[in-house]
Amino acid sequence: GNSVTQMEGPVTLSEEAFLTINCTYTATGYPSLFWYVQYPGEGLQLLLKATKADDKGSNKGFEATYRKETTSFHLEKGSVQVSDSAVYFCALMPQGGSEKLVFGKGTKLTVNP
Amino acid sequence: NAGVTQTPKFRILKIGQSMTLQCTQDMNHNYMYWYRQDPGMGLKLIYYSVGAGITDKGEVPNGYNVSRSTTEDFPLRLELAAPSQTSVYFCASSYSGTGNSPLHFGNGTRLTVT
Repeated sequence: GNSVTQMEGPVTLSEEAFLTINCTYTATGYPSLFWYVQYPGEGLQLLLKATKADDKGSNKGFEATYRKETTSFHLEKGSVQVSDSAVYFCALMPQGGSEKLVFGKGTKLTVNP
Repeated sequence: NAGVTQTPKFRILKIGQSMTLQCTQDMNHNYMYWYRQDPGMGLKLIYYSVGAGITDKGEVPNGYNVSRSTTEDFPLRLELAAPSQTSVYFCASSYSGTGNSPLHFGNGTRLTVT
């Protein structure tokens, strides 16, 4: 079946540090891949997405590249800010659409000044 | 833009009580979803709907019911609340069920069953 595995948290960084949150997936064909972010007390919101292999999604300084060969979609940011403190979820939508987004368990990021 | 609106924000129920979590969206989205979020477990799909009058079970539907009489509204009904239903519930909507149509989430309802 379809599944998403992302690195266990929590992750604590100092401001301006480099961030990587690993995400790997299991799915047949070419799913669409997403990163969602959840700020404290809020619902999830889309951060970035990639719908085909080798696509790079980017937004607000975050990037992730769809790697079919390693079934990965790692999230990176070169210099994190305190305002990036949130929970980050990797997710996939199976190829062809299925109305069912599959989420990873989430990684909590705390950035200290 | 209101987006997806959920009410109430918080609720405490006693075991065996019932309640309805309300969800409404003003984006004319066809697809609507209910998820529950438990600590360290990510989001689990409870029910979803691809349009008015059509609903289907997700991964964890037991103990819940839904209806979709209009495009805008997708209420979630809990009958005979149990402690295992203590969770944060999120409603979401999307234009289509494909990878090009991201989900829009409400701010959640935190439910405690004691």
